[in-house]
Amino acid sequence: ETGVTQTPRHLVMGMTNKKSLKCEQHLGHNAMYWYKQSAKKPLELMFVYSLEERVENNSVPSRFSPECPNSSHLFLHLHTLQPEDSALYLCASSPQMGPYGYTFGSGTRLTVV
Amino acid sequence: AQKVTQAQTEISVVEKEDVTLDCVYETRDTTYYLFWYKQPPSGELVFLIRRNSFDEQNEISGRYSWNFQKSTSSFNFTITASQVVDSAVYFCALIFAGGTSYGKLTFGQGTILTVHP
Repeated sequence: ETGVTQTPRHLVMGMTNKKSLKCEQHLGHNAMYWYKQSAKKPLELMFVYSLEERVENNSVPSRFSPECPNSSHLFLHLHTLQPEDSALYLCASSPQMGPYGYTFGSGTRLTVV
Repeated sequence: AQKVTQAQTEISVVEKEDVTLDCVYETRDTTYYLFWYKQPPSGELVFLIRRNSFDEQNEISGRYSWNFQKSTSSFNFTITASQVVDSAVYFCALIFAGGTSYGKLTFGQGTILTVHP
C-alpha cells in the first residue's frame, strides 16, 4: 500500500470509552503529524513526531495521547472524550521536518456521544 | 506569528466559469513556503502546489494557475473553465523554513468551492 492510511474511517464512542486511531505510511517519511479538523475552524496541529520523537504538543488536552512506535506508525489514543472533540482527525507525513509538502490520510471521522 | 487568511468562506460558480480563490498571509520571516491543498468529500487533503518566498514567478498547471505577490502577501489560486469535479474545500497553507514554527504547516480557514453543472 502506498500513501498514508488511517483506520478506522469512522468511529462513534461514548464519553467513558477508550479507543485508538491508527495511521500508517509506507513512504519512508521521518515526520508524522496529527491534525484536528472541526466544522468552521481551521485545521489545528495537535502533535508532531520527528524520527519517532515528539517535538510538538500544541496545548492538546491529556485525554489525547499520541504514540509513535516507529517511523511508519502513529497512534492517537483517546479516553474520556467530550462531545466537542467530535471532528475529523487527519494524519500526515513528510520526508522530514522542514519546508516539505505533507501527504495526508483520509482521516477518521470521530463522533463522541 | 504566522497566519493565513482565506476571506472567502464559500464560492459558488457555474461550470466553465473562471474562479479565483484568495489567500493572504502574515509573516515576519523572509524565508517561507506557501502551499495549496484540495480536500474533496473523501476527506484526504491533496497537495496542489508549493512555492518558496524567493520565487515570485506565477505558475500554470493545466486549468490551475497561481499568482504569488510578495508585495501584498498574497498567493491566489485561479481555476479556469471550472468543472463539477473541482468542487471541494481548498486550503492555503504556510511553512516557515526556520524558528520555532519550523516545518509546521499552518492552514487558512479554507474556501468551499461548489461548481454547478
